[in-house]
Amino acid sequence: GENVEQHPSTLSVQEGDSAVIKCTYSDSASNYFPWYKQELGKGPQLIIDIRSNVGEKKDQRIAVTLNKTAKHFSLHITETQPEDSAVYFCAASKGPGGSYIPTFGRGTSLIVHP
Amino acid sequence: NAGVTQTPKFQVLKTGQSMTLQCAQDMNHEYMSWYRQDPGMGLRLIHYSVGAGITDQGEVPNGYNVSRSTTEDFPLRLLSAAPSQTSVYFCASSDVTPITEAFFGQGTRLTVV
Repeated sequence: GENVEQHPSTLSVQEGDSAVIKCTYSDSASNYFPWYKQELGKGPQLIIDIRSNVGEKKDQRIAVTLNKTAKHFSLHITETQPEDSAVYFCAASKGPGGSYIPTFGRGTSLIVHP
Repeated sequence: NAGVTQTPKFQVLKTGQSMTLQCAQDMNHEYMSWYRQDPGMGLRLIHYSVGAGITDQGEVPNGYNVSRSTTEDFPLRLLSAAPSQTSVYFCASSDVTPITEAFFGQGTRLTVV
């Protein structure tokens, strides 16, 4: 089955710095890659996603890049703010037409110091 | 819109007891799903539904039952609770697939003693 590795497990940055979280996946048939932000005591919230026919997607300070050949995708957060502090999860799935069961990474705890 | 609403937020059960975790969504989404989240791990899919009357197993279905009698509701039943089911449970809904552009509830923290 699919295996998703997420690194680092903890990331500490100063406010204004950039943060990068990387995930690798094993199943080349995976075609949908979402990123979720989870604040303490809350449910995951989708912040950005990318499909396998796209190499990069941006939404204001957040971007995701996908390298299908190397089977990895990364979350980039620029100009980090204290409110970006949370746990971030990546996931991989095959989407419509394939297995609906997604595989999640173990999460990255991002700490942004004021 | 309230989005995805889960009840209760917290629950303590004794081993062998049964209970139902409630999930309701008001976005008219066809797909609903249940995940569990354990410390240091990502979410794992328990069961999902692609529409009223249709359910299927996820990655970790053992010990749980689901039904989908309406589009809005997707309850998760624990038949005989075990300590291994101590976890945080999240319900999600989507109009594409169980994970595509999914909206998650706030979670139910369940402890089985």
